[in-house]
Amino acid sequence: TQLLEQSPQFLSIQEGENLTVYCNSSSVFSSLQWYRQEPGEGPVLLVTVVTGGEVKKLKRLTFQFGDARKDSSLHITAAQPGDTGLYLCAGEEDYKLSFGAGTTVTVRA
Amino acid sequence: GAVVSQHPSWVICKSGTSVKIECRSLDFQATTMFWYRQFPKQSLMLMATSNEGSKATYEQGVEKDKFLINHASLTLSTLTVTSAHPEDSSFYICSASGGTYGYTFGSGTRLTVV
Repeated sequence: TQLLEQSPQFLSIQEGENLTVYCNSSSVFSSLQWYRQEPGEGPVLLVTVVTGGEVKKLKRLTFQFGDARKDSSLHITAAQPGDTGLYLCAGEEDYKLSFGAGTTVTVRA
Repeated sequence: GAVVSQHPSWVICKSGTSVKIECRSLDFQATTMFWYRQFPKQSLMLMATSNEGSKATYEQGVEKDKFLINHASLTLSTLTVTSAHPEDSSFYICSASGGTYGYTFGSGTRLTVV
């Protein structure tokens, strides 16, 4: 299992602020996925990035995949309380996913 | 979109009994299903990968005799926790993939062993 390091582990910010979550590995992945998980629920896919250097935007969320396909970041602009949740990155290799430890994001109203 | 149904959503059982969790792909054929375990405020740990009609492949440290996985059809996989003990209490999540669909996750099962 390839190791994915996710940082920070916890993030608490005020509504309207920006935040960035990082996902790093020493290994190359065929794709990297970001999920958001609510308590007591399964993870829900936010985005899949495949190409090195790729940038994808989903409303206020911006996802980047590193040129070497080893790292990724998730940036949220003007965070809202509805963005609160556990954010997980997952790297795909050999047709299965390895998850990072997750970042618990709390956005205070 | 792809939907994966997982049942039950929560279960409480007595120590020493067995519990079966079902994972169904509702609108696609899942050639591969995955079972994960998640402790509070922690990430998902892959337990095993199963392909339809074959034996499951277990991750290192996961007891295959304790966690029985069956993937008898392209739409159904089951995880049976045998002789459950309090330390088996956890959140179990399945995921299915197949065809053009990526990884779709079930809503999870909260198992509490008392």
